[in-house]
Amino acid sequence: GAGVSQSPSNKVTEKGKDVELRCDPISGHTALYWYRQSLGQGLEFLIYFQGNSAPDKSGLPSDRFSAERTGGSVSTLTIQRTQQEDSAVYLCASSPYSGRLFFGEGSRLTVL
Amino acid sequence: TQLLEQSPQFLSIQEGENLTVYCNSSSVFSSLQWYRQEPGEGPVLLVTVVTGGEVKKLKRLTFQFGDARKDSSLHITAAQPGDTGLYLCAGARDSNYQLIWGAGTKLIIKP
Repeated sequence: GAGVSQSPSNKVTEKGKDVELRCDPISGHTALYWYRQSLGQGLEFLIYFQGNSAPDKSGLPSDRFSAERTGGSVSTLTIQRTQQEDSAVYLCASSPYSGRLFFGEGSRLTVL
Repeated sequence: TQLLEQSPQFLSIQEGENLTVYCNSSSVFSSLQWYRQEPGEGPVLLVTVVTGGEVKKLKRLTFQFGDARKDSSLHITAAQPGDTGLYLCAGARDSNYQLIWGAGTKLIIKP
């Protein structure tokens, strides 16, 4: 489809395991954001990619979190040694400029 | 710290009633966006307001940007069950790509 695609849509994992969440942005969008959203709450900024510039990682909550964006397109958010407090919906958004955001449907992570 | 305070946090009303959601800040924004998010989906942009005092209408939804560009409101007339969702406001500043997000208003319209 033409929208932002995220996978998996749901992930259940055990505490201590590593998880990878994938985001396929809209083709041609140079900006890509990752956000975290707890149940019914607002958005917590995690990381921002813009073209070939160094990413803004200032929102990553700990060094267990990392993200990369290959070829200026697909992005992967990795959470190592997951904890129960990591349970949330992880939203990816892309933008043709630093303005309107187009969101994916999110990846719901549950850490048991 | 830049804050965008959104109120109320939760609102449950009957179909046909009117309501207003507010976003307030002490900071000036170059623009402010309103999004609606339905369960299991990502937020979807409803409108962007740019000019102080600007009013935009989207069917039964009326969006206003404060004269000083520090606050905004969303008014829904004759609410319908299809309006149910989480409404989020987000402020933008010229020099920063990061949006400042409100905590959201969870709106339930009962038939």
